[in-house]
Amino acid sequence: TQLLEQSPQFLSIQEGENLTVYCNSSSVFSSLQWYRQEPGEGPVLLVTVVTGGEVKKLKRLTFQFGDARKDSSLHITAAQTGDTGLYLCAGDYNQGGKLIFGQGTELSVKP
Amino acid sequence: EAGVTQFPSHSVIEKGQTVTLRCDPISGHDNLYWYRRVMGKEIKFLLHFVKESKQDESGMPNNRFLAERTGGTYSTLKVQPAELEDSGVYFCASSPTPRGYGYTFGSGTRLTVV
Repeated sequence: TQLLEQSPQFLSIQEGENLTVYCNSSSVFSSLQWYRQEPGEGPVLLVTVVTGGEVKKLKRLTFQFGDARKDSSLHITAAQTGDTGLYLCAGDYNQGGKLIFGQGTELSVKP
Repeated sequence: EAGVTQFPSHSVIEKGQTVTLRCDPISGHDNLYWYRRVMGKEIKFLLHFVKESKQDESGMPNNRFLAERTGGTYSTLKVQPAELEDSGVYFCASSPTPRGYGYTFGSGTRLTVV
């Protein structure tokens, strides 16, 4: 059974600080996705990473895929209150479309 | 383009009753997925349709759950009879490809079984 360990589960920081969320597995992903979810809504796709060592940037968000495609990280620079929400990583192991989700990171950015 | 639509947004039913959840995917998306999040746990895969065919139903908990996708368009997920442990948020997602790229999720149906 594939598992995706996401950490930390909860993160409370001040506006302007930097933060990193991690996603780790003992299995190799064919692709990994990061989502953000607001209360009462479904997850919204932020990025998909496919190639080992890949780095993608989305404004202040930087996504990294490990060389071995077993781990990934999301780094937010100069967090803003609007970044508050639930961040989820999800991996596809066999290109079949079935995603394995991490437990999520509840981020709170205080003014 | 319209997103993935799920009905109802909330449902409260008694144990033993039947509930049917509906999902309308993005038009043209052949791949439709059902996921569920129970309280305190991660989102878990239930099943995957390609058009009207079940591609992977390895995540369906038991035979009280029945999913259908009529004509490859909308999908329904029926729970009969519902049990307390079925409570959670049921998400539907659709994608133009089967490789887990370009997923769009609906807002979910929050099911409470009392």
